[in-house]
Amino acid sequence: EVQLVESGGGLVKPGGSLRLSCAASGFTFSSYSMNWVRQAPGKGLEWVSSISSSSSYMYYADSVKGRFTISRDNAKNSLYLQMNSLRADDTAVYYCAKTVGPQLIDAFDLWGQGTMVTVSS
Amino acid sequence: DIRMTQSPSSVSASVGDRVTITCRASQGIASWLAWYQQKPGKVPYLLIHAASSLQSGVPSRFSGSGSGTDFTLTISSLQPEDSATYYCQQVNSFPPIFGGGTKVEIK
Repeated sequence: EVQLVESGGGLVKPGGSLRLSCAASGFTFSSYSMNWVRQAPGKGLEWVSSISSSSSYMYYADSVKGRFTISRDNAKNSLYLQMNSLRADDTAVYYCAKTVGPQLIDAFDLWGQGTMVTVSS
Repeated sequence: DIRMTQSPSSVSASVGDRVTITCRASQGIASWLAWYQQKPGKVPYLLIHAASSLQSGVPSRFSGSGSGTDFTLTISSLQPEDSATYYCQQVNSFPPIFGGGTKVEIK
């Protein structure tokens, strides 16, 4: 089955760290750029970060630059998001998403179920 | 960064009505635009990419058009299951910004 499954979310104090994982299956993971998108409670979608298929290129939203690091392990079909110096406004559901084609940037055609990150003291 | 402005922010329509949602980019993005549907408590779902290419499995009542800066998503005959929030996204360049969303409600 073609799917993405996120894990690693939870409750963390401001200033803390968390590492999200996304396990891919059912497609050739190493052929596609991958992405993280978040959605704060009751709010819209916010792109967070993208990584190219071979990890050569990584991009970040200004709101997370310098605090978050995207990475992937093609041998393990896995995507990661290391989140440091977390703030209350990072509270959101975090989705991993697959890019529709082999391009570095394009629409997101497969989404995980999301993992909730809550930053609160 | 390219800004994406969606309108209206919400619309209420009857079953069978034609519904049109617009998305305007702050600069030209050719046809690099995607549309997503998100139902309450659910994961976003890709409807259309490349401005007008219907994703496999998406009902034909959904269509997309436009290029450059102005784009539309049309639901030709609104169905009860179309109640959702719809987002556009520019994928011309990083950052791939989403529009603010349009909530579609059934009267």
